[in-house]
Amino acid sequence: GESVGLHLPTLSVQEGDNSIINCAYSNSASDYFIWYKQESGKGPQFIIDIRSNMDKRQGQRVTVLLNKTVKHLSLQIAATQPGDSAVYFCAERPDSWGKLQFGAGTQVVVTP
Amino acid sequence: NAGVMQNPRHLVRRRGQEARLRCSPVKGHSHVYWYRQLPEEGLKFMVYLQKENIIDESGMPKERFSAEFPKEGPSILRIQQVVRGDSAAYFCASSPEQSSGNTIYFGEGSWLTVV
Repeated sequence: GESVGLHLPTLSVQEGDNSIINCAYSNSASDYFIWYKQESGKGPQFIIDIRSNMDKRQGQRVTVLLNKTVKHLSLQIAATQPGDSAVYFCAERPDSWGKLQFGAGTQVVVTP
Repeated sequence: NAGVMQNPRHLVRRRGQEARLRCSPVKGHSHVYWYRQLPEEGLKFMVYLQKENIIDESGMPKERFSAEFPKEGPSILRIQQVVRGDSAAYFCASSPEQSSGNTIYFGEGSWLTVV
């Protein structure tokens, strides 16, 4: 079936560098995409979202890019900090609000 | 996580026992969602409930699993006759009537271990 998937399972980043996490989606009906951060033993924490009629959205130190032509989503984290170490998930909304389809996740490890 | 409360946080059950997981949504939220997360995997949608109604249970296993969100009290996810494969983290999320991504709040999860 259609699914959301991530290219890299683990990403090692040096503190202060920028991080880029990629996500491929296949459900063309999805109109909304969200990035979540999950720390060990905790629930998903909202980072940033983007609607399908946009191609870029910026937050504090984070930017989400959406390329509908190739069905690709990315999260950029500027000046990565140790506190950014976590698993990052992209999620899409094919229909109703809370029924999200999550990708498998990318582990981001920030090294000093 | 803006007030979604789940309990217990950790639960150990023997095979064949029942597990009951509770979720109190953010005050004022009328929509509750349950997700399951297997180790090193993403969250998988299970069920969407509003007060006293199951709206979408397309992600629920056909047997042994049930969910409710009564008029009063928390939402309950019930797993009967648990098996080892039920070991996972179960997350509840809630949202108000009209929501966008940043108003879907997740709880801290309930970790079920079946021994």
